[in-house]
Amino acid sequence: DTGVSQNPRHKITKRGQNVTFRCDPISEHNRLYWYRQTLGQGPEFLTYFQNEAQLEKSRLLSDRFSAERPKGSFSTLEIQRTEQGDSAMYLCASSFVGGGGDIQYFGAGTRLSVL
Amino acid sequence: GNSVTQMEGPVTLSEEAFLTINCTYTATGYPSLFWYVQYPGEGLQLLLKATKADDKGSNKGFEATYRKETTSFHLEKGSVQVSDSAVYFCALTGGYQKVTFGIGTKLQVIP
Repeated sequence: DTGVSQNPRHKITKRGQNVTFRCDPISEHNRLYWYRQTLGQGPEFLTYFQNEAQLEKSRLLSDRFSAERPKGSFSTLEIQRTEQGDSAMYLCASSFVGGGGDIQYFGAGTRLSVL
Repeated sequence: GNSVTQMEGPVTLSEEAFLTINCTYTATGYPSLFWYVQYPGEGLQLLLKATKADDKGSNKGFEATYRKETTSFHLEKGSVQVSDSAVYFCALTGGYQKVTFGIGTKLQVIP
């Protein structure tokens, strides 16, 4: 088990462009979470999936953001028409519900810079 | 809603000094409490956890006790090392739900 993997690690884009990030959770983890972390702040929840179903979305997730987990394994987070305010670290976490625990394991994150 | 308040840093200590990072929380029900650590250039790592009142989480010499009466989960270590330099996040979850994080406290340990 190699842990939660996120790609790319860094992304630089121009304002108005679309970007997509990928997260590969720990094998057999049925929950997958996305968070956003801005400089000097703690991570803030964006959305989460149980298997392929998206169960909750934060008000932080504007219409320009969309997340998918089509086969209940990896997930993608897309940001359309990026804005400078989208610059942040995007973190993915996974957990297994049903094993008696609620520990989320985090990936190293994708750092987005919008110029 | 749930919230976590932790002391703002940075905290600068000499090697072998005693560390306390204060954390208090607001939550409904009986949340699980966590400390995560983020080393430079790396992702968040779970440092320790406690799931019910009076539980003590411990790992790598760090300890924190779940105090329901004071809604606190302060992080302590008796003797810090340079390698402990990192950002520490207090966090909670209501069980199989999103994690609510504090702002993070940067710790710098100098030789």
